[in-house]
Amino acid sequence: AQSVTQLDSQVPVFEEAPVELRCNYSSSVSVYLFWYVQYPNQGLQLLLKYLSGSTLVKGINGFEAEFNKSQTSFHLRKPSVHISDTAEYFCAVRVPGSNYKLTFGKGTLLTVNP
Amino acid sequence: SQTIHQWPATLVQPVGSPLSLECTVEGTSNPNLYWYRQAAGRGLQLLFYSVGIGQISSEVPQNLSASRPQDRQFILSSKKLLLSDSGFYLCACSGVDQPQHFGDGTRLSIL
Repeated sequence: AQSVTQLDSQVPVFEEAPVELRCNYSSSVSVYLFWYVQYPNQGLQLLLKYLSGSTLVKGINGFEAEFNKSQTSFHLRKPSVHISDTAEYFCAVRVPGSNYKLTFGKGTLLTVNP
Repeated sequence: SQTIHQWPATLVQPVGSPLSLECTVEGTSNPNLYWYRQAAGRGLQLLFYSVGIGQISSEVPQNLSASRPQDRQFILSSKKLLLSDSGFYLCACSGVDQPQHFGDGTRLSIL
């Protein structure tokens, strides 16, 4: 079975600072990787995904993530955050052929302060 | 593009009452459908998924059940709600080689 660990439950940063949200996974087989964002009282919105190819993946809202197979990591980064980036971020993995089921981490609450 | 409708957005129910949450999908055919529950600080827990009409797989034993009476309709039910059923319930869908797309959720409070 696969699992996802998001190392930080909360990350406070100041506006215009860079941010990195960490995600590590465990799986005995190759996986697909995803980052989702959730604004208060809303569903999840896909930020970016890694299926294959380039290990640096660019997503919406200026976010990017890098897949590192040797470290089993998929950290999310943004060079300069805005107040509007305040939200909860979830990392997820999917095993090919698993009916597209996702395994989620517990989430990281990003709070951007002025 | 896919659109997921969930209702109601919020619901307050007494312990022991029945439950029916509905999810409908537009913009895709024969999707896989999922019900998740989100509790504070615990991420998302997959409750049920369905690959077709009448086909339901349960991921965790619980007080809830799911049904898929039509291709793009997914219903979450309970005969008698428990306090532990409180949470934020999310419906999601995915098509072939597509990432999961989520609805806006239903916040369920049990009193």
